[in-house]
Amino acid sequence: DSGVTQTPKHLITATGQRVTLRCSPRSGDLSVYWYQQSLDQGLQFLIQYYNGEERAKGNILERFSAQQFPDLHSELNLSSLELGDSALYFCASSPQGNPLNEQFFGPGTRLTVL
Amino acid sequence: GQQLNQSPQSMFIQEGEDVSMNCTSSSIFNTWLWYKQDPGEGPVLLIALYKAGELTSNGRLTAQFGITRKDSFLNISASIPSDVGIYFCAGPTSGTYKYIFGTGTRLKVLA
Repeated sequence: DSGVTQTPKHLITATGQRVTLRCSPRSGDLSVYWYQQSLDQGLQFLIQYYNGEERAKGNILERFSAQQFPDLHSELNLSSLELGDSALYFCASSPQGNPLNEQFFGPGTRLTVL
Repeated sequence: GQQLNQSPQSMFIQEGEDVSMNCTSSSIFNTWLWYKQDPGEGPVLLIALYKAGELTSNGRLTAQFGITRKDSFLNISASIPSDVGIYFCAGPTSGTYKYIFGTGTRLKVLA
């Protein structure tokens, strides 16, 4: 158990809908990262937040947005969902915003878009 | 953009055999990290490398930071069934906070 929690574990929805994925980092970690992993693919970095502010942006679509709240939990919002958005979404956290720090991954949210 | 290519893409080995896999980049990396992902779970860090030429071990795992800084290698000695999973190399892209993960090597161990 990494100490990072993600909810929900599974999510099934229809095209065109909007969903919110939630992540709680390890106690004391200030940085949160979001990744997308499609079937049999590697992990694609989406976005990083550090202490409430956006720190780095990867290949995140405009239909997706994220935020980190004062209590440091983070939410990833996916809207106008398409079939191709079906994937595992992982959240990771680290103590600081330095990418050289080890990242601790949550168990993931499996999103299925029908 | 920067990419990390891993080889082999997948491998089947007998229990007890040694395993070698590598990760190559088209550009220089200053840090190499190796993660393992078990089925249905998030990746877990195995080894971190911070210096060109560095050789680091973690139990049966040994990883090396290539001297060109464009590659890294991971070796697993005397494989066991719980070594099954996907092994990813990763690192922050130069001058940014963005992380890149490699394409992964899927390992299957035959008892």
